[in-house]
Amino acid sequence: GAGVSQSPSNKVTEKGKDVELRCDPISGHTALYWYRQSLGQGLEFLIYFQGNSAPDKSGLPSDRFSAERTGGSVSTLTIQRTQQEDSAVYLCASSFLAGAVRDTQYFGPGTRLTVL
Amino acid sequence: AQKITQTQPGMFVQEKEAVTLDCTYDTSDPSYGLFWYKQPSSGEMIFLIYQGSYDQQNATEGRYSLNFQKARKSANLVISASQLGDSAMYFCAMREGSPAAGGTSYGKLTFGQGTILTVHP
Repeated sequence: GAGVSQSPSNKVTEKGKDVELRCDPISGHTALYWYRQSLGQGLEFLIYFQGNSAPDKSGLPSDRFSAERTGGSVSTLTIQRTQQEDSAVYLCASSFLAGAVRDTQYFGPGTRLTVL
Repeated sequence: AQKITQTQPGMFVQEKEAVTLDCTYDTSDPSYGLFWYKQPSSGEMIFLIYQGSYDQQNATEGRYSLNFQKARKSANLVISASQLGDSAMYFCAMREGSPAAGGTSYGKLTFGQGTILTVHP
């Protein structure tokens, strides 16, 4: 079946503008995760959603970052007032059930964000 | 504290040879899972293999196997019969099984810094 999809694949924006990144998880997966990959910081967890539970936002770097998941499926990561240090690849992943330690996360192709 | 350590920034291997990529981890949680992902130059993270802390046997998936040494807290990936298409970045990741105090952060993966593997013909 279809994997995790993300859009756009590339986004170039100017400092101070808001951006929205979209993630479509694998159908039937109840958990959805956002990570950020940058040269200096490696792969960092940002936020995850599990079913109807309150999301775990513990990885969001500042209050400029927010995310929502509508209808238990599609998720949008919003970055307000973008800064140059926000430049990175934003990866979305989904899994069947976050409660099991062996639950495998499957990743999308990522969105490369460049803030000028 | 670094929870996942990959000490080899880069590794080289001859085609058809075997190669071992190192990963050590740190956790006090008795229940955890260890994952290896491959990231080719295209950027997508591809799941390779999983090892659970309670698994009695080392995991294997085709040409991939895990050398899991629980007492040493290491989970090294072994790739047998390397192919040119194996050239990529490889990440080790851990997921802890118990909710952190006051939170539910056990869903996340914590990644190592990665190892770039280059397979020579």
